[in-house]
Amino acid sequence: DVVMTQSPLSLPVTLGQPASISCRSSQSLLHSDGNTYLNWFQQRPGQSPRRLIYKVSNRDSGVPDRFSGSGSGTDFTLKISRVEAEDVGVYYCMQGTHWPRTFGQGTKVEIK
Amino acid sequence: EVQLLESGGGLVQPGGSLRLSCAASGFTFSSYAMSWVRQAPGKGLEWVSTISGGGTSYADSVKGRFTISRDDSTNTMYLQMNSLRAEDTALFYCARTSKFDYWGQGTLVTVSS
Repeated sequence: DVVMTQSPLSLPVTLGQPASISCRSSQSLLHSDGNTYLNWFQQRPGQSPRRLIYKVSNRDSGVPDRFSGSGSGTDFTLKISRVEAEDVGVYYCMQGTHWPRTFGQGTKVEIK
Repeated sequence: EVQLLESGGGLVQPGGSLRLSCAASGFTFSSYAMSWVRQAPGKGLEWVSTISGGGTSYADSVKGRFTISRDDSTNTMYLQMNSLRAEDTALFYCARTSKFDYWGQGTLVTVSS
């Protein structure tokens, strides 16, 4: 199975400041179809997960442009340009290239 | 608007069975793969199973005990869970596709004596 490793696991941030989460996979996520299926999810307290980013860097509909994804191969990053109070929650990366689908452990973002 | 509504969760004894349902609306259900993802209390996300035109896939942790199915005439997906264990206790979400672009609110399964 592909192991997804996130860091840090806890991220205290100041409102208005940037935040960055790293996600590394144990195998390349480049699919034979040429796409890299790396997604990012946000789970606010008490809510269901919500997909933010698909195929490394594509924002889902309604996702603020302060969220951005980047990376390739085995190394990926989610960035929040200026953290707002509503961004508090746990963020997960997930690979959709290989079976079984696997998630990172989650990164808890909180306000300092 | 895409909506996914899970039901069927509850308290069951170890070794028991439960069937979860996921009612879908707001999209052409038959055109999409569908998945189950679970989250144990206070833990992270774990993919459980996916059903598509190409067949079904299961996590090793549930293979042989869980069966995923769908009824495209009623826009409903199911998860038949047999031989339940304490470690199956979780909030079970249904999600659209194997890339999980939409999620339901979840249904809680508690396995305990």
